[in-house]
Amino acid sequence: AQTVTQSQPEMSVQEAETVTLSCTYDTSESDYYLFWYKQPPSRQMILVIRQEAYKQQNATENRFSVNFQKAAKSFSLKISDSQLGDAAMYFCAYRGAQKLVFGQGTRLTINP
Amino acid sequence: KAGVTQTPRYLIKTRGQQVTLSCSPISGHRSVSWYQQTPGQGLQFLFEYFSETQRNKGNFPGRFSGRQFSNSRSEMNVSTLELGDSALYLCASSSSGAGGRETQYFGPGTRLLVL
Repeated sequence: AQTVTQSQPEMSVQEAETVTLSCTYDTSESDYYLFWYKQPPSRQMILVIRQEAYKQQNATENRFSVNFQKAAKSFSLKISDSQLGDAAMYFCAYRGAQKLVFGQGTRLTINP
Repeated sequence: KAGVTQTPRYLIKTRGQQVTLSCSPISGHRSVSWYQQTPGQGLQFLFEYFSETQRNKGNFPGRFSGRQFSNSRSEMNVSTLELGDSALYLCASSSSGAGGRETQYFGPGTRLLVL
C-alpha cells in the first residue's frame, strides 16, 4: 500500500522568508502524481501545486516550487517570500491507480 | 465555474441515527471522491465514483455507503451513527476517469457532530 509521510507536524517562518516542507512517500508504482494541498483555517482544501512522476522538471507555481527526487521518493515544497496568507495546514498527497493518499499534514505559521 | 458544493455545511445527530450528505461537483466533472477528516486519523479515503459506478473504496465499515447520480451529483450515507463518526466529510471532484490521476478539487466540507 502507498504511504505518505510528513515528518514536520509544525513549522514556522518569518514573513518574507523561505520555508521548505518535507514529504516522503512509498510506492511500487511507476505512474503517479504528487500534490501539495493547503487547508487554511476556513477548512477549504486548495491545490497548491502538482507534479507528474514522469516529468523530471520540478513544478513551479509563482512563489511555490517543489523539489521532486523520484529515486529518493521525496517531494518537498518550498515557499518563497512567505506571506501571512500562507498560514495553513499543508498536506502532501499521492495519487496512483487507486486513490488519493494524504500525509498527516504540516501546520505552517507565519510570524509577522 | 462554480466550485464543489456540499450540503449541509453543519450537522448534529445522535448515536444510532443515520445521515445523508450531498455533493455537487464542478460542472463537467464526472468523478467524485469522499474523504473523512479527523484530528486523530487525518484524511482518509472513503470511496470514489465515476459515471455512477463505485471505482474505489476505502477501509470503512459497511455503514458508510454512497452513490452517484446521472448528473454526477453524489451522496454519502452513514447509518447507525457512532460517536467516532464525528468528523469533517470532504467531497472532491475531478474532470474525468482516465487513469484517475487528475487533480481533485475539494468542497468546503460537511462538519458532522454525533452526540
